[in-house]
Amino acid sequence: EAGVAQSPRYKIIEKRQSVAFWCNPISGHATLYWYQQILGQGPKLLIQFQNNGVVDDSQLPKDRFSAERLKGVDSTLKIQPAKLEDSAVYLCASSAGRGFDGYTFGSGTRLTVV
Amino acid sequence: QQPVQSPQAVILREGEDAVINCSSSKALYSVHWYRQKHGEAPVFLMILLKGGEQKGHEKISASFNEKKQQSSLYLTASQLSYSGTYFCGTRREGASGTYKYIFGTGTRLKVLA
Repeated sequence: EAGVAQSPRYKIIEKRQSVAFWCNPISGHATLYWYQQILGQGPKLLIQFQNNGVVDDSQLPKDRFSAERLKGVDSTLKIQPAKLEDSAVYLCASSAGRGFDGYTFGSGTRLTVV
Repeated sequence: QQPVQSPQAVILREGEDAVINCSSSKALYSVHWYRQKHGEAPVFLMILLKGGEQKGHEKISASFNEKKQQSSLYLTASQLSYSGTYFCGTRREGASGTYKYIFGTGTRLKVLA
């Protein structure tokens, strides 16, 4: 079974620039999550999709972050404009969502904002 | 509302045992446990469900105490490969039957030869 694919692996941008991350979940997984992990901390949920609908985006800074999952498969997370405090690893995860399933995480995108 | 893990860090010798605790301020429905090695993605270890049995994975097991709103991860006869940061995730119910997992503060574990 192929895992969760994410790209790019690393990204360095200047503050106020924009950046986009891509995620392709495990085939058949209806639920997709974007997490932000700042160094030394646990992952923080940014947004959760069920198929192509948003289930929870309460922690997403909507003035600068946006995400979509148009066809209920792959997803894109965008930051515009980026701030220094956005430097983190952005993890995508997917789950079959059956209540007893764990999450499968992608390798993440390490973002550095300078 | 983030679950609190203890200890924050632990160093072991190969073959020693360790316990990692995850405490929630809210009622526990289910708990995930993950291990994350440096520079890698978190890897799912196990899930504990309310009213369910204690789970095991290799020599790693976990318990769920609904009354104390706490889960504990037990690492027995630790191996070098157990080194990493361990995270618990506790379930939070959302609207219309949805739910999400909130990750804990993390416990860094280092096993020495």
